[in-house]
Amino acid sequence: QSVLTQPPSASGTPGQRVTLSCSGGRSTIGTSTVTWYQQLPGTAPKVLIHGNNQRPSGVPDRFSGSTSGTSASLAISGLQSEDEAVYYCAIWDAGRYVFGTGTEVSVL
Amino acid sequence: QLHLQESDPGLVRPSETLSLTCTVSGGSFRSIRDWWGWVRQPPGKGLEWIGSIHYTGTTYYSPSLASRITISGDTSKNQFSLRLTSVDAADTAIYFCARHAGGLPFYWYLDLWGRGTLVAVTS
Repeated sequence: QSVLTQPPSASGTPGQRVTLSCSGGRSTIGTSTVTWYQQLPGTAPKVLIHGNNQRPSGVPDRFSGSTSGTSASLAISGLQSEDEAVYYCAIWDAGRYVFGTGTEVSVL
Repeated sequence: QLHLQESDPGLVRPSETLSLTCTVSGGSFRSIRDWWGWVRQPPGKGLEWIGSIHYTGTTYYSPSLASRITISGDTSKNQFSLRLTSVDAADTAIYFCARHAGGLPFYWYLDLWGRGTLVAVTS
């Protein structure tokens, strides 16, 4: 069972801003850096954000990450149809690498 | 361009041992700054970290799987491997190998992934 909780689903219309949350207990997020992964159907996950808010080259700047206390957020501004995917947060916690439960994003 | 490729064991029978190998090409497994990991995903479910290894042989294992797994590396073959013993249907999943960037575990992120291989545990 993951120590990182994400809402199972989120949705928005094209161009809308969508914010995904990742909640950790016992100050997990406050003591580790957060990574966000995007998994398109049938593919391996891809890193969108690492180090809480660092975007690898090639990732559009409409993806942004932030943290506050024991929670992290991924914002997608200007939602596009190709953003339909499952998004996972992840941290290093007490000797193990932990993925969140994942949020499936739909573009209406 | 570094590339990771998992072997394809296909079907594994219950109670037997699952063995997977990840071949690193276009780069070196023997990298002081990189760690290499295994992640799995049961069909239709989320991601689960299995464990990770540094070329020096240092490993981290998921506490929930530690009693059944061994991760090893072979610098001469540029490969690292996973052994999972006493498998059952719950071990049916897509198994991915991946590279941890970021140096220390606190900063880890998986920046390169293999395509994944589906392993089915069935009699």
